[in-house]
Amino acid sequence: AQSVTQPDIHITVSEGASLELRCNYSYGATPYLFWYVQSPGQGLQLLLKYFSGDTLVQGIKGFEAEFKRSQSSFNLRKPSVHWSDAAEYFCAVALYNNNDMRFGAGTRLTVKP
Amino acid sequence: GAGVSQSPSNKVTEKGKDVELRCDPISGHTALYWYRQRLGQGLEFLIYFQGNSAPDKSGLPSDRFSAERTGESVSTLTIQRTQQEDSAVYLCASSLATDQPQHFGDGTRLSIL
Repeated sequence: AQSVTQPDIHITVSEGASLELRCNYSYGATPYLFWYVQSPGQGLQLLLKYFSGDTLVQGIKGFEAEFKRSQSSFNLRKPSVHWSDAAEYFCAVALYNNNDMRFGAGTRLTVKP
Repeated sequence: GAGVSQSPSNKVTEKGKDVELRCDPISGHTALYWYRQRLGQGLEFLIYFQGNSAPDKSGLPSDRFSAERTGESVSTLTIQRTQQEDSAVYLCASSLATDQPQHFGDGTRLSIL
């Protein structure tokens, strides 16, 4: 069955520390891959996406993600976290096109001063 | 430019009442999506519209849920005879085309008393 897994429900990091949020998928083919961020009380904002080509994708706010086909993963990274990065992060996948996007359960990021 | 607009931003109603949620997509976006986000959970796909094609209703949780879209403009999500389990944030998204990322509104927070 098709699925998207974000293994970490909640992560806490210190401001200035590096960050990696995990995302694994189970699909019959390589899907389109996305990371969204949802700040408290706000809608979802697209951080980055992967459709094809270079497997290391750069996004907004200093985030990047790497697609690893062999591991069926699309982990989100940031070298140095800022307090404003505290939010909920969702990994999403869509097969072939956008009309069946599936989201992971989300990872809540807390940033310690 | 204007993003995806949803109204109302908050809705509190009594169990058994009908509610109607509105979504105004970004102008020119042919695809429109509705999602439900229950407290502490990820997003659930509800329904998808693409141009004039018949909508993909595969995610609607029950026959109390329905949605309409007029051409490539506004969409309404209607929930009849609301139940407490319907309490959630309902998010709308639109995309320029099926291979383009979705842009999300801020959501409607629905509370059923």
